[in-house]
Amino acid sequence: SQQGEEDPQALSIQEGENATMNCSYKTSINNLQWYRQNSGRGLVHLILIRSNEREKHSGRLRVTLDTSKKSSSLLITASRAADTASYFCATDAGTGRRALTFGSGTRLQVQP
Amino acid sequence: NAGVTQTPKFQVLKTGQSMTLQCAQDMNHEYMSWYRQDPGMGLRLIHYSVGAGITDQGEVPNGYNVSRSTTEDFPLRLLSAAPSQTSVYFCASKAQGGGYTFGSGTRLTVV
Repeated sequence: SQQGEEDPQALSIQEGENATMNCSYKTSINNLQWYRQNSGRGLVHLILIRSNEREKHSGRLRVTLDTSKKSSSLLITASRAADTASYFCATDAGTGRRALTFGSGTRLQVQP
Repeated sequence: NAGVTQTPKFQVLKTGQSMTLQCAQDMNHEYMSWYRQDPGMGLRLIHYSVGAGITDQGEVPNGYNVSRSTTEDFPLRLLSAAPSQTSVYFCASKAQGGGYTFGSGTRLTVV
């Protein structure tokens, strides 16, 4: 079963607007990661936030993590048409199974 | 530095055939894993490895075998292909504490 569930499943915005995607997960984590996937391509690592961090920035990306609510959000500011892609959150439990567990993704469409 | 290389990029198999999907990384990463992605879904873990000689099952291991004889290579074997194994397969690797680097995928169709 999927560890993470993303919300919304699809999002359509205009260029220049901000895009917010949310992710919820079920079990304790060591870190949470966000990935981007362009259509027909592999996944690209965007940002990693550790369980003891609450917020992290990378360029136009801002990620928050609330371990008490088992949720995370990804904010893309000043979106561009090139940001059109699917975005996935993935959790790393840090112990036991040493691999990522993915959510079902948010499909983002940025209209030029 | 090629990252993670998957071959082949496309493959069509007949039901019952076997094949090996290749995955190689040149970053000396300890962790490697195989995922499958079905239309409109996230990735599901098939098998993973935390180092040479060590492998373990993920969420959906049935019908697949793996081995990790070297740090660089992590092949995925389909024992007897079934239409339910039609999917896009991704291999990924990472160093401890970092994010994963993904290959470009193998699109497999079983007819």
